[in-house]
Amino acid sequence: GDSVTQMEGPVTLSEEAFLTINCTYTATGYPSLFWYVQYPGEGLQLLLKATKADDKGSNKGFEATYRKETTSFHLEKGSVQVSDSAVYFCALSPNYGQNFVFGPGTRLSVLP
Amino acid sequence: ETGVTQTPRHLVMGMTNKKSLKCEQHLGHNAMYWYKQSAKKPLELMFVYSLEERVENNSVPSRFSPECPNSSHLFLHLHTLQPEDSALYLCASSRKHGQGEDTIYFGEGSWLTVV
Repeated sequence: GDSVTQMEGPVTLSEEAFLTINCTYTATGYPSLFWYVQYPGEGLQLLLKATKADDKGSNKGFEATYRKETTSFHLEKGSVQVSDSAVYFCALSPNYGQNFVFGPGTRLSVLP
Repeated sequence: ETGVTQTPRHLVMGMTNKKSLKCEQHLGHNAMYWYKQSAKKPLELMFVYSLEERVENNSVPSRFSPECPNSSHLFLHLHTLQPEDSALYLCASSRKHGQGEDTIYFGEGSWLTVV
């Protein structure tokens, strides 16, 4: 079945550092890809998404590009802030008849 | 404001109590979900409803009983829970279940502690 693999972390960075969180997927056909963010004590919030190959999703300074040739959707941000400390989930919406698939989450801590 | 509202946000219950979690979505979606999130474990899909009909029940113990009276509301009835059931319970909704190119939206979650 479809699956998502992401680095589990934790990832610890200093403020203003560059962030990359890797995500790769296995799926039949052409799934939609997502990044969700979960701040402490809250639910998952949609951060960005891409629905087809070479699409770039972006929001709040975060970006991810749908790379079909490498089956990847890596999350990047040029300069992280303390307020970005959260858990980040990579996910996919598979083809018909199947449930959403989530990665295990990557905990990010940004130090001042 | 996510469009999916869960109540209560926090619940403490004894093992012999009966309580319910409530979820309401204002997005006009036809599919609703319950997930369980425990510390250091991946998200676990518990139940899926599509157009008020249960389409998935992932081997969840019978002490958890879902109810979907209409496409906007979802309940999780809790009875004789165990301490290991303490977790964050997340409700979510999407436009249509299993239709591809869909996006799932989550509520803030209900923190459950079983004592």
